[in-house]
Amino acid sequence: EDQVTQSPEALRLQEGESSSLNCSYTVSGLRGLFWYRQDPGKGPEFLFTLYSAGEEKEKERLKATLTKKESFLHITAPKPEDSATYLCAVQAGNQFYFGTGTSLTVIP
Amino acid sequence: DVKVTQSSRYLVKRTGEKVFLECVQDMDHENMFWYRQDPGLGLRLIYFSYDVKMKEKGDIPEGYSVSREKKERFSLILESASTNQTSMYLCASTPGGSYYGYTFGSGTRLTVV
Repeated sequence: EDQVTQSPEALRLQEGESSSLNCSYTVSGLRGLFWYRQDPGKGPEFLFTLYSAGEEKEKERLKATLTKKESFLHITAPKPEDSATYLCAVQAGNQFYFGTGTSLTVIP
Repeated sequence: DVKVTQSSRYLVKRTGEKVFLECVQDMDHENMFWYRQDPGLGLRLIYFSYDVKMKEKGDIPEGYSVSREKKERFSLILESASTNQTSMYLCASTPGGSYYGYTFGSGTRLTVV
């Protein structure tokens, strides 16, 4: 069964404490892996698309990487404004599969 | 700035009412989607459309219908609202070809009482 699993469910970091969020997937025929940021009460905001193993994308303090079975979202020296839920989605064929997200809290 | 606009941020409706959720995109995207998002369950696909007047059922279509009379507008209809349809509803769109991530609207928080 095609599936996307994110871990941890919740993560609390001190400001400046770097960490990684994980998205593992079991789909065949991966066409793309997407990371989104979602603030409370709002729609998800697109961050990155990764298409093939070994690919990396960066934006400010965020860096996304992709292997054949998982993706990591690395957060370097996070700030309180990075607090949000981070969603991972995988496209296989014409289907999109979403994980349930990691809720990140960065404490000043 | 390209956008997906959902007509209401918050709605409160009574059980049994017919509810319309509207979504408009200004990006000339072919594909449009309706999801609901619930804690612990993530995003679940209700309906989607790849073209005007075309619709396809997603994973949880029961109790919902959709309408796409114009390319830019995709409406979700709750035929007879029930309390278990209380949720956050998200509209999204993508260009044709589907190698692109979704652009989401800001969501409609629907409460059915």
